[in-house]
Amino acid sequence: GEDVEQSLFLSVREGDSSVINCTYTDSSSTYLYWYKQEPGAGLQLLTYIFSNMDMKQDQRLTVLLNKKDKHLSLRIADTQTGDSAIYFCADRIKAAGNKLTFGGGTRVLVKP
Amino acid sequence: EPEVTQTPSHQVTQMGQEVILRCVPISNHLYFYWYRQILGQKVEFLVSFYNNEISEKSEIFDDQFSVERPDGSNFTLKIRSTKLEDSAMYFCASGEETQYFGPGTRLLVL
Repeated sequence: GEDVEQSLFLSVREGDSSVINCTYTDSSSTYLYWYKQEPGAGLQLLTYIFSNMDMKQDQRLTVLLNKKDKHLSLRIADTQTGDSAIYFCADRIKAAGNKLTFGGGTRVLVKP
Repeated sequence: EPEVTQTPSHQVTQMGQEVILRCVPISNHLYFYWYRQILGQKVEFLVSFYNNEISEKSEIFDDQFSVERPDGSNFTLKIRSTKLEDSAMYFCASGEETQYFGPGTRLLVL
């Protein structure tokens, strides 16, 4: 079945850019998502991209999709301490229904 | 802004007991889901529900599990006879192209 992988941890200085990476295995992934989870909270949808796009920008967030390498990244510009959280990527294969397959999450720690 | 809500936030139960986890999806959404996250593991899909029936389920979603939409607003997950390995955070979600998640119910089976 589909597998989505992420690195476990990222440490970044406040004000710098963060880049969180994700790889997936099924080339028919149709939608790819980024969710944020703060301590004790649920999964907050940050942004998503369709597979027919290479890039999507939304304020401080930039999503890059490399379909050839099956690689997705999330760049957070001007990272703030409030960005400290776990970030999950997930994909959806439309032909396989609506279920999301999640990566294991990347814990981002923003240092002042 | 509309959001998915879940109750209770925490539930402790004895092995073999039945539990019902409750969710109120976003009101104009037609698709509903349950996912779970065992501590230290990935978020896993359990089941999706559309038009008053299960549209998709994973192999985790065996006969111990059932879902129901008992009225126009609630969506429930029932675990008939809980096992230790059912201890997890259970997330409800709603939406189609984009799925919005609730805050989760942390279930602990003793």
